Amino acid sequence: DIQMTQSPFSLSASVGDRVTITCRASQSVASFLNWYQQKPGKAPKLLIYGASSLQSGVPSRFSGSGSGTDFTLTISGLQPEDFATYFCQQSNTTPFTFGPGTTVDT
Amino acid sequence: DVYLVESGGGVVQPGESLRLSCEASGFAFSSYEMNWIRQAPGKGLEWISYISSSGRTIYYADSVKGRFTISRDNAKSSVFLQMNSLRAEDTAIYYCARVRPCSSSSCYTTEYWGQGTLVTVSS
Repeated sequence: DIQMTQSPFSLSASVGDRVTITCRASQSVASFLNWYQQKPGKAPKLLIYGASSLQSGVPSRFSGSGSGTDFTLTISGLQPEDFATYFCQQSNTTPFTFGPGTTVDT
Repeated sequence: DVYLVESGGGVVQPGESLRLSCEASGFAFSSYEMNWIRQAPGKGLEWISYISSSGRTIYYADSVKGRFTISRDNAKSSVFLQMNSLRAEDTAIYYCARVRPCSSSSCYTTEYWGQGTLVTVSS
């Protein structure tokens, strides 16, 4: 199985900050990397697919980059509604494994 | 709008069975692949099963292979998860999710999620 790791485990940030979360795969997943946002008690929401494509309806302050094994999610100008947990997931090879999550709080 | 509504969760004892259902609306269900994904309380996300739009291609995570069966009824816009021989470690919120159409840079991406149904396995 492909193992997904994320760093940091959690981070504290303020409104307006630029936030960067890193995801690493144990082997290449090409560009088959997705990012999700989850708020407490809610289902996850797709933000980025194909490593860098913005899902429809997602604000442009969210961006993704990377390929192969190393990926980044960036939030440019953190907004109050962005405090949440973020997960990466590879959809290149079954099982489609998720990273452990990164919690962004104040 | 895309709607996915799961049902069938509940409390069962180890070794028992449960069948989850997910009713879809707001899109052409028969054209979309579907996933089941679960999340143990306070834990991360675990993909557990995939079914193609026709139902002919199915994948499972090793943790559920041989115990869980995914199926779909396109006439009823529904996907199901039959769960047998349940264990305490199967306790989780189970999400039904629609898969984004495959492209050159993205396949098997979970695009829309239901609200989830809680399965508790406890003696």
